[in-house]
Amino acid sequence: NAGVTQTPKFQVLKTGQSMTLQCAQDMNHEYMSWYRQDPGMGLRLIHYSVGAGITDQGEVPNGYNVSRSTTEDFPLRLLSAAPSQTSVYFCASRSSGKETQYFGPGTRLLVL
Amino acid sequence: TQLLEQSPQFLSIQEGENLTVYCNSSSVFSSLQWYRQEPGEGPVLLVTVVTGGEVKKLKRLTFQFGDARKDSSLHITAAQTGDTGLYLCAGANSGNTPLVFGKGTRLSVIA
Repeated sequence: NAGVTQTPKFQVLKTGQSMTLQCAQDMNHEYMSWYRQDPGMGLRLIHYSVGAGITDQGEVPNGYNVSRSTTEDFPLRLLSAAPSQTSVYFCASRSSGKETQYFGPGTRLLVL
Repeated sequence: TQLLEQSPQFLSIQEGENLTVYCNSSSVFSSLQWYRQEPGEGPVLLVTVVTGGEVKKLKRLTFQFGDARKDSSLHITAAQTGDTGLYLCAGANSGNTPLVFGKGTRLSVIA
């Protein structure tokens, strides 16, 4: 199993550009989530999904969109990037009813 | 809103010393998890504690869940440089609700 994979590893954007951060898992986990990690702020939940076709907002959803068309994939879209979205983004998954959460390696995003 | 407070925020110690980090909340959780995150990587689960008063040992690491299931501690005996990293606690509730993360304790063990 590859676990949770994220692409790209690094990305530089200009303000106003759009992009999609990819996340995939091969463990057949129902629950997937996106976090951003900033110095001194810990992990903050952006969006999460409890299964295909179902998504919900987390603590900091503004400026981000998600969709969950398959169990495996959970992409995060930035429609118009802003410097405040400069951060490290982590995708995570877990099996429904289980507590162990598996994280991807992260995507480092710089918005100029 | 449930919050988890971790202390200290930063800790720098010499190799061989002992240390304890804390994770406190005013809320009850069904379980608490501890993760370690190394630079450039995602967090990795170390342990989950479920029962109030539970103590779990993982080699030199001892994890304790408070009797009231509101707090937890992580004690490291004879720290090694390989213990360096960010330690995160996370509270879980029943059902498919999101985990609640603390902001972490950044540990640096110096040789």
